[in-house]
Amino acid sequence: EDQVTQSPEALRLQEGESSSLNCSYTVSGLRGLFWYRQDPGKGPEFLFTLYSAGEEKEKERLKATLTKKESFLHITAPKPEDSATYLCAVQASGTYKYIFGTGTRLKVLA
Amino acid sequence: AAGVIQSPRHLIKEKRETATLKCYPIPRHDTVYWYQQGPGQDPQFLISFYEKMQSDKGSIPDRFSAQQFSDYHSELNMSSLELGDSALYFCASSLTGRNQETQYFGPGTRLLVL
Repeated sequence: EDQVTQSPEALRLQEGESSSLNCSYTVSGLRGLFWYRQDPGKGPEFLFTLYSAGEEKEKERLKATLTKKESFLHITAPKPEDSATYLCAVQASGTYKYIFGTGTRLKVLA
Repeated sequence: AAGVIQSPRHLIKEKRETATLKCYPIPRHDTVYWYQQGPGQDPQFLISFYEKMQSDKGSIPDRFSAQQFSDYHSELNMSSLELGDSALYFCASSLTGRNQETQYFGPGTRLLVL
């Protein structure tokens, strides 16, 4: 069965304290892996798409990487406005629907 | 840039009533997806449509139905509402094709069933 697991469930960082979020997945074949940011009561906001192992994408303080079994979202020198829930989703081969992980709730303290 | 539009943004219904949620995809996107997100949970896939045909089906109750119209907007119809249907309902759209599978989400419709 296709599955996505994110860790940690929650993370508190001081402003400027870099860290990484993990997304582990098991799918029959990976079409794509996607990272989103979600603020409370709002729709997921697209961050990155990764298609193959070894691929990396970067945007401001965020960097996403992908291996054959997991993806990392690295946050460098975070700011309070980076506080949100970060969702990982995968698409398995043969389908376009997303399977989401349960997310990591990030809180960055000033 | 234009985003996905959902209406209404908030909806309050009584048990056993019906509700209709609407979704207007990003212009030129050909695929629409519906997700349900309960409190503190991740979004769960309900159903999707590609070029007005159902393309995939997830954990959508038989009480729910959906369709995509000729202008590509989609409607999710929910009947015999139950308390457990209270959730955020998101619509997402994409332009299906090689390396274009990214889904863009709307702001959601918050449904409260009393």
